[in-house]
Amino acid sequence: DTEVTQTPKHLVMGMTNKKSLKCEQHMGHRAMYWYKQKAKKPPELMFVYSYEKLSINESVPSRFSPECPNSSLLNLHLHALQPEDSALYLCASSQGGERFYSPLHFGNGTRLTVT
Amino acid sequence: SQQGEEDPQALSIQEGENATMNCSYKTSINNLQWYRQNSGRGLVHLILIRSNEREKHSGRLRVTLDTSKKSSSLLITASRAADTASYFCARGDRGAQKLVFGQGTRLTINP
Repeated sequence: DTEVTQTPKHLVMGMTNKKSLKCEQHMGHRAMYWYKQKAKKPPELMFVYSYEKLSINESVPSRFSPECPNSSLLNLHLHALQPEDSALYLCASSQGGERFYSPLHFGNGTRLTVT
Repeated sequence: SQQGEEDPQALSIQEGENATMNCSYKTSINNLQWYRQNSGRGLVHLILIRSNEREKHSGRLRVTLDTSKKSSSLLITASRAADTASYFCARGDRGAQKLVFGQGTRLTINP
């Protein structure tokens, strides 16, 4: 089991639905990340939060909306997704601050299917 | 590719043999990390090697870094069936404030 918890593990949603992915860590990490991973591909960075502020947005479409309510929680709000958005969505955390390249701790992801 | 290259893309060996995976890049790095991913799971950090280091060991893992050739290798000795997974290198480019993952190597250990 990992120290980063993601819910739900699986999600099926229609293109008109609104849903949210949740991520939680209690390691005191100050940086949190959302990655998208397609089958047999590496993770692609979507967003980075540092000290609860959005620090990196990798030109992600606005149908994905991140939120960091506090230092332990990270949400990804989904609206009007397309079938090509189906993927494994991974949350990760790291010590953050000036330690930009510290190791990432990943959750086990949410398998999202858009119908 | 900005993501860098890993080779081989896939590797299948017998249990007990050694497995070597390679990662090349074109940038100036702060450090380079290796991660393992079991099917359908999250990535697990294995080892981090800084740009001023040449070799690191962790159990059956040995990582080398050659900054002059801009390449790194991960060696898994005495492989086990449980080592079956995808392995990714991730580089921390200087000034980029984020990690960039390589394409990965899918390793299969046959019993």
